[in-house]
Amino acid sequence: DVKVTQSSRYLVKRTGEKVFLECVQDMDHENMFWYRQDPGLGLRLIYFSYDVKMKEKGDIPEGYSVSREKKERFSLILESASTNQTSMYLCASRTGQFSTDTQYFGPGTRLTVL
Amino acid sequence: AQSVTQPDIHITVSEGASLELRCNYSYGATPYLFWYVQSPGQGLQLLLKYFSGDTLVQGIKGFEAEFKRSQSSFNLRKPSVHWSDAAEYFCAVGRGSQGNLIFGKGTKLSVKP
Repeated sequence: DVKVTQSSRYLVKRTGEKVFLECVQDMDHENMFWYRQDPGLGLRLIYFSYDVKMKEKGDIPEGYSVSREKKERFSLILESASTNQTSMYLCASRTGQFSTDTQYFGPGTRLTVL
Repeated sequence: AQSVTQPDIHITVSEGASLELRCNYSYGATPYLFWYVQSPGQGLQLLLKYFSGDTLVQGIKGFEAEFKRSQSSFNLRKPSVHWSDAAEYFCAVGRGSQGNLIFGKGTKLSVKP
């Protein structure tokens, strides 16, 4: 079974803190994604990566950055957390490079910024 | 630009009743379409997908979906709902052959005894 794990299920941070959300997949997938999920807005793509050290902006990259030093690990970084970044963050990895390939999701990290 | 619309925010059905969740898409060419389910406290799980061939697609957990090009729709159906089907359901369209997914806003399904 494909497994995508996220470092924390719940996280509480203060405004201005630097926040790291970690995601690890165990299936040697090249493609990895970070989404945020908000009620009434569905999932919105923040960043994605097609390979190690490669990253592409998604639809809402402002206020975020990412790091992919190893194939299995994709980190989302909030350089200076703000209250409007309180959200559920979902990581996913994909079996191949095509839209038709399946994305596998982690359980999510619910981040609260106070 | 591609988009996905799920017109129903919340649907309640009785256990054992049939279910249809609506999804409309906007895309110029043949779309790649997906349905995902998110159970409470969980990540998303793929139910089924369509990208060519038979327009009636079978998925896991007894779900099926039908692609109707003339209506730009990809509605999800299940003949008899179980209490464990209570979850949020997301329709998605692929952004080109090597693109990412665009998700709808989701439909929350409640099941009453």
